Amino acid sequence: GQQLNQSPQSMFIQEGEDVSMNCTSSSIFNTWLWYKQDPGEGPVLLIALYKAGELTSNGRLTAQFGITRKDSFLNISASIPSDVGIYFCAGGSGTYKYIFGTGTRLKVLA
Amino acid sequence: NAGVTQTPKFQVLKTGQSMTLQCAQDMNHNSMYWYRQDPGMGLRLIYYSASEGTTDKGEVPNGYNVSRLNKREFSLRLESAAPSQTSVYFCASSAGRTVQSGGYTFGSGTRLTVV
Repeated sequence: GQQLNQSPQSMFIQEGEDVSMNCTSSSIFNTWLWYKQDPGEGPVLLIALYKAGELTSNGRLTAQFGITRKDSFLNISASIPSDVGIYFCAGGSGTYKYIFGTGTRLKVLA
Repeated sequence: NAGVTQTPKFQVLKTGQSMTLQCAQDMNHNSMYWYRQDPGMGLRLIYYSASEGTTDKGEVPNGYNVSRLNKREFSLRLESAAPSQTSVYFCASSAGRTVQSGGYTFGSGTRLTVV
């Protein structure tokens, strides 16, 4: 089945550093979502993007809908220990269903 | 503010046993979904229900059945559990019928081990 490629798969960063991750697909999507999953919990929606080129922020998080509609990017500024978790992208088109990426596992070193 | 509630949270089954995973949402959402999450595989769609009274197969439906009991509840049944079904199962719901209606709200998951 189709899945999105997320990069990097995992990363260790120092507290206070900025983080960048991306998601790419061979298919075009008209919606991109970014989720965060804490250990033992379900994913929680962080940001939703609905238009190519759109740049949206949620606190220290900023996400962009790529111009080609085949990719999306998430940046976290000034990371803190509670940013640890797995970040998933999801692409959607048409009705009902999203395709999820394989996740980027983030660990923040205090 | 319950959102999406899944039961049970943990379950251990023997190969060949059956069980039903329960999911209920209190947000009056139309669409509901069952996903499984395996290490390195992300989230894969098992079945979904676009609206009350309808269900459709997702990417990995083999070995599972679902029931959309009413607008609130969507259950997932394993008729004869296999070790390959060891996974974390997530139920999700969404308000609308198109992806433009917003993202999913997920439950906290059921961790299933089949021995």
